[in-house]
Amino acid sequence: GQSLEQPSEVTAVEGAIVQINCTYQTSGFYGLSWYQQHDGGAPTFLSYNALDGLEETGRFSSFLSRSDSYGYLLLQELQMKDSASYFCAVNLKKGGKLIFGQGTELSVKP
Amino acid sequence: GAVVSQHPSRVICKSGTSVKIECRSLDFQATTMFWYRQFPKQSLMLMATSNEGSKATYEQGVEKDKFLINHASLTLSTLTVTSAHPEDSSFYICSAATGVIRPNYGYTFGSGTRLTVV
Repeated sequence: GQSLEQPSEVTAVEGAIVQINCTYQTSGFYGLSWYQQHDGGAPTFLSYNALDGLEETGRFSSFLSRSDSYGYLLLQELQMKDSASYFCAVNLKKGGKLIFGQGTELSVKP
Repeated sequence: GAVVSQHPSRVICKSGTSVKIECRSLDFQATTMFWYRQFPKQSLMLMATSNEGSKATYEQGVEKDKFLINHASLTLSTLTVTSAHPEDSSFYICSAATGVIRPNYGYTFGSGTRLTVV
């Protein structure tokens, strides 16, 4: 079976930095993606890693270590609007289906 | 670019009726479409993968006769929930693989359909 584990919830204050971890055990691996989802909305793409290392996109960064089957999403300068659910997702193969983690609910407080 | 339009956004239907959900790729050809289901506060669970012109591949535990998927063209895929029951009430989301090499291989999501069966 496929499994991705991430914390169920994280709380942080405005302006802070938060890291959401994701460990995976899958039958294949092409890349690790991160998605943000607000209540009632569709997932929106945040970041992607196919190779080890850090990818930076504005306030969001994502890290991957394939040898450890581990990645994280780093959110900097937190804003209230960042309160949402964050999902890690693994591509098993190029263009193949995405397997999602259970999601981390981030609450940003004033 | 790479927009997927999903309709309807919300639907309420009576138990026993069928509901069709459409996903259209507006500015690209979606050779592959993925259909997900999401219960409140839970993850996106893949239901099936459809490729244009061929039968859908269903995930284990998903009833193919209940959730009919049609991907007859490169711009349209449909999911029909047949003989809907209250336990089918959920958020259904489609996602298309654009086939264009992008940082994440270009998975574009529809806006989702909130189905309530009464």
